[in-house]
Amino acid sequence: DTAVSQTPKYLVTQMGNDKSIKCEQNLGHDTMYWYKQDSKKFLKIMFSYNNKELIINETVPNRFSPKSPDKAHLNLHINSLELGDSAVYFCASSQGHSNQPQHFGDGTRLSIL
Amino acid sequence: QQQVKQSPQSLIVQKGGISIINCAYENTAFDYFPWYQQFPGKGPALLIAIRPDVSEKKEGRFTISFNKSAKQFSLHIMDSQPGDSATYFCAGYSNTGKLIFGQGTTLQVKP
Repeated sequence: DTAVSQTPKYLVTQMGNDKSIKCEQNLGHDTMYWYKQDSKKFLKIMFSYNNKELIINETVPNRFSPKSPDKAHLNLHINSLELGDSAVYFCASSQGHSNQPQHFGDGTRLSIL
Repeated sequence: QQQVKQSPQSLIVQKGGISIINCAYENTAFDYFPWYQQFPGKGPALLIAIRPDVSEKKEGRFTISFNKSAKQFSLHIMDSQPGDSATYFCAGYSNTGKLIFGQGTTLQVKP
C-alpha cells in the first residue's frame, strides 16, 4: 500500500484554469505538507497542516489554497493558473511537525500550456 | 538566514568509489539534519539523519559527518554503486518547524 498518494500524477492544463491536486496518507500521521519542486529540482515548503490546522504558510500567491478535510487528507487548489506554476508538487506527512522524518508522495507534475 | 548550501551540483563517481556531498547552514537554530534521496519520477525518501550533538552517524554504506562549529555536514557514500545514482538533498529543520532543503546533488555512478 502506498503510504502517501497523490492524484493526479500528471496535470496538463491551460493558463487561467483552476485545478486541484489531492493527497492522502495512510501512515496515521498528524502533519501534512505541500512542497514545490522547480525545474532546477529545488524543493520549497509551501504549506503545512497539523491536525487540520494551518501552521506553515509560506509566501505563496493567494491563488494557492490548501484544504485539509481530515488528518489523512490535504488537497491543494490553484486558481487562475500561470506559466510560472509549472512544477512538480509534492505532498508529505510526518508524525509531529518538528524534527520528524517526512514521508513524500511521488509528486504531481503540473504543466501549464 | 534559513539557507542550506549544498555542493557539488553534480558528481560522477566510478563504481566502488566514495561519493562525498557537502552542505553548510547558517541558522544555528537548526537542530535536525536529514538527507533525502530522490530517483527520477519519485518523491524524496529519507536516507539518513543526524542531530548536532553527534559528530558522525553511519548506516550501512552511508555516513554523515557533522561539524557543529563550522556549521557544515557531509554525506559519504562508500563503495558507490550504479543503483545509488539519484539526486541527493541535504536539509535542516528550522526552529519554526520548516524543513529547509539544499539545492540538490545529482550523482551518477559509472559501472
